[in-house]
Amino acid sequence: AQKITQTQPGMFVQEKEAVTLDCTYDTSDQSYGLFWYKQPSSGEMIFLIYQGSYDEQNATEGRYSLNFQKARKSANLVISASQLGDSAMYFCAMREGNFGNEKLTFGTGTRLTIIP
Amino acid sequence: GAGVSQSPSNKVTEKGKDVELRCDPISGHTALYWYRQRLGQGLEFLIYFQGNSAPDKSGLPSDRFSAERTGESVSTLTIQRTQQEDSAVYLCASSLPRDRGPTNQPQHFGDGTRLSIL
Repeated sequence: AQKITQTQPGMFVQEKEAVTLDCTYDTSDQSYGLFWYKQPSSGEMIFLIYQGSYDEQNATEGRYSLNFQKARKSANLVISASQLGDSAMYFCAMREGNFGNEKLTFGTGTRLTIIP
Repeated sequence: GAGVSQSPSNKVTEKGKDVELRCDPISGHTALYWYRQRLGQGLEFLIYFQGNSAPDKSGLPSDRFSAERTGESVSTLTIQRTQQEDSAVYLCASSLPRDRGPTNQPQHFGDGTRLSIL
């Protein structure tokens, strides 16, 4: 089974609208972390937001928020008031377990295109 | 401040040749990671270094792949006898270790090396 599933290969959204990018995960660990990264066409990976499995509140960073539903094992990224510069690939990733297991497992990504 | 630096940015080589990719992590970041990203896909973990601990090599796809790190600085990823399926972008990342900072330590990525095997 895929550890990280992103079911939306591509999305088109009108500028200034909000957009939700889906991410579901699969783990048997109680302690884990969920990350979202943005990859523009230039190729660099930009860290956006983090949610820990024990965090009781949804993470927020500026226009980014993470809709964390632990029982459903979903960690959707919400971008409010989208901008043209938000056009990029977006990857959801998970780090499982306790100290010593540091690798990230990535989903296949969602290509977001903002339409002016 | 300086981010993660990778070189070369692009590498084209013939099948069967050996290649060496270099990564300079952010100063003070003791954790270093290598990932591979094939065209149109997500990132695949290759190897992780943390200080003087034994590296986590669980993601290396074959014995043609190896990596070294000198202390807490530069790392090199070596691919021997390259095959066409090795064509990908190889990304390096670094971070502070979780036991020295908050649990939400993100990995900071370099711009990658685009490797093309002819």
